[in-house]
Amino acid sequence: QKEVEQDPGPLSVPEGAIVSLNCTYSNSAFQYFMWYRQYSRKGPELLMYTYSSGNKEDGRFTAQVDKSSKYISLFIRDSQPSDSATYLCAMDNDYKLSFGAGTTVTVRA
Amino acid sequence: KAGVTQTPRYLIKTRGQQVTLSCSPISGHRSVSWYQQTPGQGLQFLFEYFSETQRNKGNFPGRFSGRQFSNSRSEMNVSTLELGDSALYLCASSREGNQPQHFGDGTRLSIL
Repeated sequence: QKEVEQDPGPLSVPEGAIVSLNCTYSNSAFQYFMWYRQYSRKGPELLMYTYSSGNKEDGRFTAQVDKSSKYISLFIRDSQPSDSATYLCAMDNDYKLSFGAGTTVTVRA
Repeated sequence: KAGVTQTPRYLIKTRGQQVTLSCSPISGHRSVSWYQQTPGQGLQFLFEYFSETQRNKGNFPGRFSGRQFSNSRSEMNVSTLELGDSALYLCASSREGNQPQHFGDGTRLSIL
């Protein structure tokens, strides 16, 4: 079993819809939780960084962490075609990031 | 502020050769990490350096090695290249390690 599980999708939504992404994990030692966005032929770009359980909002993006359930989520409101990318969850322990498989999202105009 | 810079962007090698990849972190960042990204295995951690010391290492064979210089720039080396080493190699930097890591655009390594 992988330390971090993420549904690879693909996920296709119409413009303006809410995109919902999630990951589960098994290692209780994970302390920091991140979401990255990766466009084709580019490196991952940091979107959200959280430490504690709860919600964190940044513009159209909301990250949720539930440590008791070992579950994290990312919501994208008012999705745009420019949000079409692969979204990766990542978790940090001992200076090492463990990644989910990534979910490919397409926002249709 | 300049981001993480990786060189070269693309590299083609043949089996048995060795290769050295370079990474310049964001100014002020002292932690540099390396990852391998493949379609089958996703992003996998190789190693992390801070102040020229390796603090953590992933589950890769000894053919994969790295180092960090006093100016925080880092290199990774892969010896005796195999076809399975074809991948996107990503470098990430952060201020101290347990902080958000910022990635470069990677070096695409193809083994023929």
